Amino acid sequence: QVQLQESGPGLVKPSETLSLTCTVSGGSISSYYWSWIRQPPGKGLEWIGYIYYSGSTNYNPSLKSRVTISVDTSKNQFSLKLSSVTAADTAVYYCASGRDGYNHWGQGTLVTVSS
Amino acid sequence: DIQMTQSPSSLSASVGDRVTITCQASQDISNYLNWYQQKPGKAPKLLIYDASNLETGVPSRFSGSGSGTDFTFTISSLQPEDIATYYCQQYDNLPPAFGPGTKVDIK
Repeated sequence: QVQLQESGPGLVKPSETLSLTCTVSGGSISSYYWSWIRQPPGKGLEWIGYIYYSGSTNYNPSLKSRVTISVDTSKNQFSLKLSSVTAADTAVYYCASGRDGYNHWGQGTLVTVSS
Repeated sequence: DIQMTQSPSSLSASVGDRVTITCQASQDISNYLNWYQQKPGKAPKLLIYDASNLETGVPSRFSGSGSGTDFTFTISSLQPEDIATYYCQQYDNLPPAFGPGTKVDIK
C-alpha cells in the first residue's frame, strides 16, 4: 500500500518561500504522477500542480508564477516550492498520487504564513 | 477554467435515509468526474471515479451517476460513519477543480 508523508516548516514569513517535501513509501515514485493540493482552514480544495516521475510538470495558472514542483527519484520524494507567500497561502498542504484522480493522500501539513 | 457547483451546501439526515448530492460543471466534462469524502481533520478519500465507478474497498451504499454537466452522488442508506464533507472534482480540463463541498451530518 502506497503511503505519502509531507514534511517541512509549519510557519513561513510573508514574502518568503514555502518548501515542502513528500516522501513516498510502499511503492516506487517512478512511472506515475504526483500532485500537490491545498485547503485553507475551513475552506475547499485547490489543486496546485502535478509532476510526472520524468520531471514534466503542470501547474494551476492561478499559482504558476510562484510554484515549482520537483522530483527526486533516488529518494522517492517530490517537493513543492511556493514563493512570495502571503497570509492567503495559509493552508493544509496535501501531497497525493495521481494526475486526474487522487487515490492516495498524505495526512496533510498545516503551513501558516505569519511574521 | 471549469467551475464546479454543488448542492446543497449542507444537509442533515437520519440514519438509514437516502442522501443525494448534486454537482454541476460549467461546461461539458463528459464523465471525467470524481467524488471524495473528507472527515474532519483527515485527508480526502476517493470514493467514485469516472462519475460512476466505485473505488476498491468503498461500500456499495455509495454510488454516482451522470455525464455532461450534471452529476449525482447518492448514499443509499446513511450510516453514522458517513458524517463528512463530500466533494466532486472534474478532470476534463486543466486545472482540475473541486466543488465547494457538501457537509453531511446526522439529524
